[in-house]
Amino acid sequence: SYELTQPPSVSVSPGQAASITCSGDILGDKYAYWYQQKPGQSPVLVIFRDNQRPSGIPERFSGSNSGDTATLTISGTQAMDEADYYCQAWDSSTVVFGGGTKLTVL
Amino acid sequence: QVQLQESGPGLVKPSDTLSLTCAVSDYSISSSNWWGWIRQPPGKGLEWIGFIYYSGSAYHNPSFKSRVTMSVDTSKNQFSLKVNSMTAVDTAVYYCARTWISMVRGVVSQVHFDSWGQGTLVTVSS
Repeated sequence: SYELTQPPSVSVSPGQAASITCSGDILGDKYAYWYQQKPGQSPVLVIFRDNQRPSGIPERFSGSNSGDTATLTISGTQAMDEADYYCQAWDSSTVVFGGGTKLTVL
Repeated sequence: QVQLQESGPGLVKPSDTLSLTCAVSDYSISSSNWWGWIRQPPGKGLEWIGFIYYSGSAYHNPSFKSRVTMSVDTSKNQFSLKVNSMTAVDTAVYYCARTWISMVRGVVSQVHFDSWGQGTLVTVSS
């Protein structure tokens, strides 16, 4: 079965850029999606179709997808961006989620 | 702005069947969308369960084998999930979500979830 691999944790200083990777076999041939989940809350879609931002998502959130890796980048990271982030793709009639990355803003 | 609200029992006994409903507000369930279910065990990641169209067409995660049944009630603007033979490993927060899919030549090529309910915790215990 298809797997998406994310680092368990990423740390970033306020104001700096944070990058969260998601790796999967030829992931670049699929579309990658990203969700943000804060403690006790439901996930929120922050990137769709590799690099599109839904309405209401700040411009500091961006995405890319090439080769085996999709990347979510948060430029000028703010304390409010501290959350778990999950990537997601569709493969072989199955929705696949990455294991999630905890972003800590120190 | 679509709103989704899950409802169902917070506690289920082992081997029983879980029944959940997701009420959709401010949006017609008969619109060109699918409607999905995702769960999250405490402290763990997200797991897709399945999604269904208002016509009844559905896809579900093969890992659930035939334990999952989904349905839509357009008259009540809601959709439902049943999971039978529940065990402790099924303890999780269950989310419903509006689901967008794209098809190429009749085959699903993309799926994502753009609006989620608040989730409901289901505990399996005797």
